[in-house]
Amino acid sequence: QKEVEQNSGPLSVPEGAIASLNCTYSDRGSQSFFWYRQYSGKSPELIMFIYSNGDKEDGRFTAQLNKASQYVSLLIRDSQPSDSATYLCAGLHNYGQNFVFGPGTRLSVLP
Amino acid sequence: KAGVTQTPRYLIKTRGQQVTLSCSPISGHRSVSWYQQTPGQGLQFLFEYFSETQRNKGNFPGRFSGRQFSNSRSEMNVSTLELGDSALYLCASSFSYGNEQFFGPGTRLTVL
Repeated sequence: QKEVEQNSGPLSVPEGAIASLNCTYSDRGSQSFFWYRQYSGKSPELIMFIYSNGDKEDGRFTAQLNKASQYVSLLIRDSQPSDSATYLCAGLHNYGQNFVFGPGTRLSVLP
Repeated sequence: KAGVTQTPRYLIKTRGQQVTLSCSPISGHRSVSWYQQTPGQGLQFLFEYFSETQRNKGNFPGRFSGRQFSNSRSEMNVSTLELGDSALYLCASSFSYGNEQFFGPGTRLTVL
């Protein structure tokens, strides 16, 4: 069974710090990974995706993928209180299969 | 470009009833996926449709069904509702299967 694991948190960081969110996956055949942010009472919104080993940057966000270690992470630089939300990691085995979501990590950025 | 829309936004039903939820994807998107989200189980995959064909199905009982129309709009149906079906039902659309998905606002279903 394909699984995506995340620490449920809460992860608390002070405003302006770097928040590091981690995700591990069991399916070695997973090809692409997606990070979503979900505010309380709202639906998930896509932050970014990554499918190659290494880093991918988009503004204050950096996704990191290490397929050998089956590990994905999301770094948020200069964290703001508005970043306080639950962050969902999702893996996709290949284009013929469905997304598998992790349980999410709750992030709290303290002013 | 308009986002994914879902109707209704809120529903209250009683056990044994059935319910139909609707999802309109982003214009040009042909893949629609449905998820159930509960505090205890997180985001669980229900099914995915592409070009009116069900491509994938999650581990849910047969009471959960869906379909997709030629204009890519999708509906899901839950028959013989149980208390445990109370959840947020999310629809996500993508240009094609395997592409990034964009979620609608969800339908919050409460079963009494």
